[in-house]
Amino acid sequence: QKEVEQNSGPLSVPEGAIASLNCTYSDRGSQSFFWYRQYSGKSPELIMFIYSNGDKEDGRFTAQLNKASQYVSLLIRDSQPSDSATYLCAGDSLNSGYSTLTFGKGTMLLVSP
Amino acid sequence: DADVTQTPRNRITKTGKRIMLECSQTKGHDRMYWYRQDPGLGLRLIYYSFDVKDINKGEISDGYSVSRQAQAKFSLSLESAIPNQTALYFCATSPGPGTYEQYFGPGTRLTVT
Repeated sequence: QKEVEQNSGPLSVPEGAIASLNCTYSDRGSQSFFWYRQYSGKSPELIMFIYSNGDKEDGRFTAQLNKASQYVSLLIRDSQPSDSATYLCAGDSLNSGYSTLTFGKGTMLLVSP
Repeated sequence: DADVTQTPRNRITKTGKRIMLECSQTKGHDRMYWYRQDPGLGLRLIYYSFDVKDINKGEISDGYSVSRQAQAKFSLSLESAIPNQTALYFCATSPGPGTYEQYFGPGTRLTVT
């Protein structure tokens, strides 16, 4: 079964610190990876996607992908209390010719003022 | 106006009742998905549709059915609701081949008593 694994947390960081969120995946055929932010009781919101090995930066967010190690990470610089949420990692998987996303269960991030 | 809308947003129903959850989108996306989210279990795919004539089962389709009435509309039905179908239900859309990011609706909180 294709899986995306995340530490459930909570990951606690002080305001202004760098938060590092990690994800591993089992499907070597996965090519595209996504990070979603989900506030409690709300819907997941796409914040980053990455297709190629290496780093991709967007504002305070950096996504990192290492396909050889089957590892994806999200760094949040200058963390703010408003970043406190659950972060979902997802990778694409091919099922019977259809590409869908497999989601991890999420890591809860708590940023303290 | 929201790009992906879901109705109702909250619903309480009794065991054995038939219920329909509706999803509409104005993003012009061909692909639509239904997920349920339970604490500790993450997002699980129920059904997905890549165009109006294409319907596919996800990992947890038992007890559910869907209808794709138009490119913009995708409905999920519970023919005879049971308490373990109490969950948060999300509809999502994605653009199509080569792009796999998904965009979520606001969710429907369903309680079956």
